[in-house]
Amino acid sequence: AQKVTQTQTSISVVEKTTVTMDCVYETRDSSYFLFWYKQTASGEIVFLIRQDSYKKENATVGHYSLNFQKPKSSIGLIITATQIEDSAVYFCAMREENSNNRIFFGDGTQLVVKP
Amino acid sequence: DPKIIQKPKYLVAVTGSEKILICEQYLGHNAMYWYRQSAKKPLEFMFSYSYQKLMDNQTASSRFQPQSSKKNHLDLQITALKPDDSATYFCASSQNWGDYAEQFFGPGTRLTVL
Repeated sequence: AQKVTQTQTSISVVEKTTVTMDCVYETRDSSYFLFWYKQTASGEIVFLIRQDSYKKENATVGHYSLNFQKPKSSIGLIITATQIEDSAVYFCAMREENSNNRIFFGDGTQLVVKP
Repeated sequence: DPKIIQKPKYLVAVTGSEKILICEQYLGHNAMYWYRQSAKKPLEFMFSYSYQKLMDNQTASSRFQPQSSKKNHLDLQITALKPDDSATYFCASSQNWGDYAEQFFGPGTRLTVL
């Protein structure tokens, strides 16, 4: 069964606006770790931000922030003041506490930022 | 300077042959991993190693064999190659196995099997 689901295949925004990418996950573990990565056009995979399930406060790093809604098993990525260079595929990922360090990835959301 | 090096960047092989994908990390990490990304599936976990010891194997086929000659090396040997093995293979690493840290990825090796 798919553990991480990203329903948005592609999003297009105008630069300097805010975009939200959705992600829902499923797990039976009480403790788990959520990550967002981006994959650039060159194929490079870059770690962006993480949320630990036991933390109530939403994580923020630079112009990335998370909307963690634990009761809904949802972890949205918010990018403010988008730039052309933010165009990439964004992957939501989850690691369960008892998963032997395995990270499960979603299918990704293609973000296109237009001038 | 690149922190995780994967060689080669591109690899073309014929069906039935054998190839080795190279990975070296210079982040001082103790845990290393292999993932595969194909057109048909999302990034998929294959193996994890900690201090050169295999910790987890999620590949169904014994044709895929990781090899660790040094703590910061984790190569991937693939034998009897099939066209379905065509994918980009990513090496990753994290500080320690079991510490819940994020994993950092190398640039990948794109393998095409003809």
